[in-house]
Amino acid sequence: AQSVTQLDSQVPVFEEAPVELRCNYSSSVSVYLFWYVQYPNQGLQLLLKYLSGSTLVKGINGFEAEFNKSQTSFHLRKPSVHISDTAEYFCAVSGLSGSARQLTFGSGTQLTVLP
Amino acid sequence: NAGVTQTPKFQVLKTGQSMTLQCAQDMNHNSMYWYRQDPGMGLRLIYYSASEGTTDKGEVPNGYNVSRLNKREFSLRLESAAPSQTSVYFCASSDRGRDTQYFGPGTRLTVL
Repeated sequence: AQSVTQLDSQVPVFEEAPVELRCNYSSSVSVYLFWYVQYPNQGLQLLLKYLSGSTLVKGINGFEAEFNKSQTSFHLRKPSVHISDTAEYFCAVSGLSGSARQLTFGSGTQLTVLP
Repeated sequence: NAGVTQTPKFQVLKTGQSMTLQCAQDMNHNSMYWYRQDPGMGLRLIYYSASEGTTDKGEVPNGYNVSRLNKREFSLRLESAAPSQTSVYFCASSDRGRDTQYFGPGTRLTVL
């Protein structure tokens, strides 16, 4: 079994400031990790993913995340946010069940960028 | 290339009514999924289909049934809707296990 904890349900930040959205996971096996973004009234789209290799992963829209195995974390960062980054962000971890991968999602973090 | 499409976008049901949510993907993906999204709970997996002809239960399958009609289509049926099934439902697909999942725009369902 696996689980994901997003420590902050809401993060307000001023435009052009840096932001970090925190994600911790638990799993008894090796994992793949994902960050998805959901804009209002839309489906989810992939921001970035960690499968293997370099622990620093770069994604779309200037976001990046770092996989830290010892701390079981996968925090999302952006050095300078824009109003258009206002959205809900979900961290997810994958497991295996047969040939299909099941994603377990965190409860989400609402990022609000203030002018 | 429309990706993952879902119909309807909105639906209001009365308790006890039935309905089917439709999902189709045009990416030739093998695996398809149904999730529900509730405030403060993220997305929870209802059912998934690893490949055409197979379906399996996810975290919250009670009150739902699914059909993988062919490789493109995966439907979710509520036989007797309950207010607890008020939610936003998302369909997703992936090429195979371990691949990125692509999501549809969602169906907002209200059960009165």
